[in-house]
Amino acid sequence: KAGVTQTPRYLIKTRGQQVTLSCSPISGHRSVSWYQQTPGQGLQFLFEYFSETQRNKGNFPGRFSGRQFSNSRSEMNVSTLELGDSALYLCASSPQGDQANEKLFFGSGTQLSVL
Amino acid sequence: AQKITQTQPGMFVQEKEAVTLDCTYDTSDPSYGLFWYKQPSSGEMIFLIYQGSYDQQNATEGRYSLNFQKARKSANLVISASQLGDSAMYFCAMREGLTGGGNKLTFGTGTQLKVEL
Repeated sequence: KAGVTQTPRYLIKTRGQQVTLSCSPISGHRSVSWYQQTPGQGLQFLFEYFSETQRNKGNFPGRFSGRQFSNSRSEMNVSTLELGDSALYLCASSPQGDQANEKLFFGSGTQLSVL
Repeated sequence: AQKITQTQPGMFVQEKEAVTLDCTYDTSDPSYGLFWYKQPSSGEMIFLIYQGSYDQQNATEGRYSLNFQKARKSANLVISASQLGDSAMYFCAMREGLTGGGNKLTFGTGTQLKVEL
């Protein structure tokens, strides 16, 4: 069974641009979550999608958005990029996201550098 | 206040020895779950072990065990018989609200473990 796939693996953008990151969950998984990882702030929850609906949202500005398609694939978008958006963006999937001990399976992440 | 605290930024252990990575948590929710993940240099987060707040016994998964002390709000990870491949960053994480809570995890700052020959 294929794992969580994130594309692209690396991205370089300049301030003010926008970027779209893609995540394909494990087959059969309906919950997709996004996390931002930086040396200064650590791992922070961005948002979670389930059945094409945003179910949870972290404390990030509106420049960060996402969506989920009917096949559970998800994209996140960051508009008007700032230097502080440079980070590793991790996507995680799980079957339902509503069971106590449900594991999250993570992808290898997209490393975004904003110049 | 930090919800998940990992006080050891870095740890060294000799190959084949056991090592304990500390994690304390803070929540007022009676229902919660605690996770440990491993992140090698490749970046991918790998699930290691889970402990639910209502679980009576400490969780074990192969060489990994979780020393859960609910009254002290600690959930330390014990790795037995360390291997060179265990060298990685280790994160403790918590999910509050056990059912219907979605997949929002709160992570600690991590412990960098280095296994030496």
